[in-house]
Amino acid sequence: AQSVTQLDSQVPVFEEAPVELRCNYSSSVSVYLFWYVQYPNQGLQLLLKYLSGSTLVKGINGFEAEFNKSQTSFHLRKPSVHISDTAEYFCAVSGGETSGSRLTFGEGTQLTVNP
Amino acid sequence: GAGVSQSPRYKVAKRGQDVALRCDPISGHVSLFWYQQALGQGPEFLTYFQNEAQLDKSGLPSDRFFAERPEGSVSTLKIQRTQQEDSAVYLCASSLAVGWGIDQPQHFGDGTRLSIL
Repeated sequence: AQSVTQLDSQVPVFEEAPVELRCNYSSSVSVYLFWYVQYPNQGLQLLLKYLSGSTLVKGINGFEAEFNKSQTSFHLRKPSVHISDTAEYFCAVSGGETSGSRLTFGEGTQLTVNP
Repeated sequence: GAGVSQSPRYKVAKRGQDVALRCDPISGHVSLFWYQQALGQGPEFLTYFQNEAQLDKSGLPSDRFFAERPEGSVSTLKIQRTQQEDSAVYLCASSLAVGWGIDQPQHFGDGTRLSIL
């Protein structure tokens, strides 16, 4: 079975500071990895995805993530955050022989950007 | 619109009532997923359709939950004899993906917030 662990439930930062949201996964087979963002009372919006190839993935809104197979991690980073980045962020995994294309999510990290 | 549409946005029901939640996927999307998101949690998989075929319903928590997609487009998630633990946001997602393990991203609707009193 696959699982995703988001190591921080809440991350407060000041505007224009860098941020890293941590994600670890477990799976016995190759998987696809995703980061989604959820604003209040809205659905999830895809930030970026790792399928194969380069381990550094760039997404929308200036976010990027690095896939580390040996550490089974997929941490999300942004060099300078804005107030508008305040939201819940979810790491997710799909793929594998049993789960197919369904997504398995972590419990989320609430990013709060303060002025 | 161009996105996934869910209705109603909010639903309040008394314990024991039946409810039906609707999902309109993006036109042409073959795959459709339902997820349940409890307060403060990540979404959890409920069921998956490829066109009209329900290929995976392993995430449905009990036989009170039923989903259908009879014409391979609109889907309905029905919950019978609702209980308080059914209170959650129900998210629908669609994608172009066909079959297992394909990399097409899932596009999510804004969800239906279900409250059982």
